[in-house]
Amino acid sequence: DAGVIQSPRHEVTEMGQEVTLRCKPISGHDYLFWYRQTMMRGLELLIYFNNNVPIDDSGMPEDRFSAKMPNASFSTLKIQPSEPRDSAVYFCASSSGDSPLHFGNGTRLTVT
Amino acid sequence: QKEVEQNSGPLSVPEGAIASLNCTYSDRGSQSFFWYRQYSGKSPELIMFIYSNGDKEDGRFTAQLNKASQYVSLLIRDSQPSDSATYLCAVKRVGSSASKIIFGSGTRLSIRP
Repeated sequence: DAGVIQSPRHEVTEMGQEVTLRCKPISGHDYLFWYRQTMMRGLELLIYFNNNVPIDDSGMPEDRFSAKMPNASFSTLKIQPSEPRDSAVYFCASSSGDSPLHFGNGTRLTVT
Repeated sequence: QKEVEQNSGPLSVPEGAIASLNCTYSDRGSQSFFWYRQYSGKSPELIMFIYSNGDKEDGRFTAQLNKASQYVSLLIRDSQPSDSATYLCAVKRVGSSASKIIFGSGTRLSIRP
């Protein structure tokens, strides 16, 4: 079991650029979650999917953020255009049914 | 009111003592409760989960749940310096978004030798 795989591990970009974060959940898991973590706001749920379908995106900050899950083994979180306040660590996590979340290693995003 | 509340700490406990971490939640319909440990620069890792009222023990860790008081706690016995980390409480809510899992802001624990 390779665990949840996120890429890239680090991303540095300039304000206004498009950023795409990627996630491969654990095989067989039917739930996928995107979280953002900052010192000020802690770990915030952005959006989650069940069987590739977005269930709740109420945590997505604004229209600049979008997420997709085209198949059971891949999801993306896109920010366009990026802003300095988007700087954070973005975690992807997956689970199956009532099982606890398994987190990826996260992507540290810095927007200058 | 935050959905899941934790004291941010830092909580300083001498080595070998019991560390007690607390968490309250606002949604009475919450079903499942989790404790995660997060070392600086790392991702959260699961320590324990609890679904029913009462205590659940796993090694040096005990989770306690009181649904009437909407309160979850984590006790760490014989605290070790390696237990120094941020501890996150997470709650799974019921309803249309049955698997929505909300985290508290975490309690920073420091075990002093």
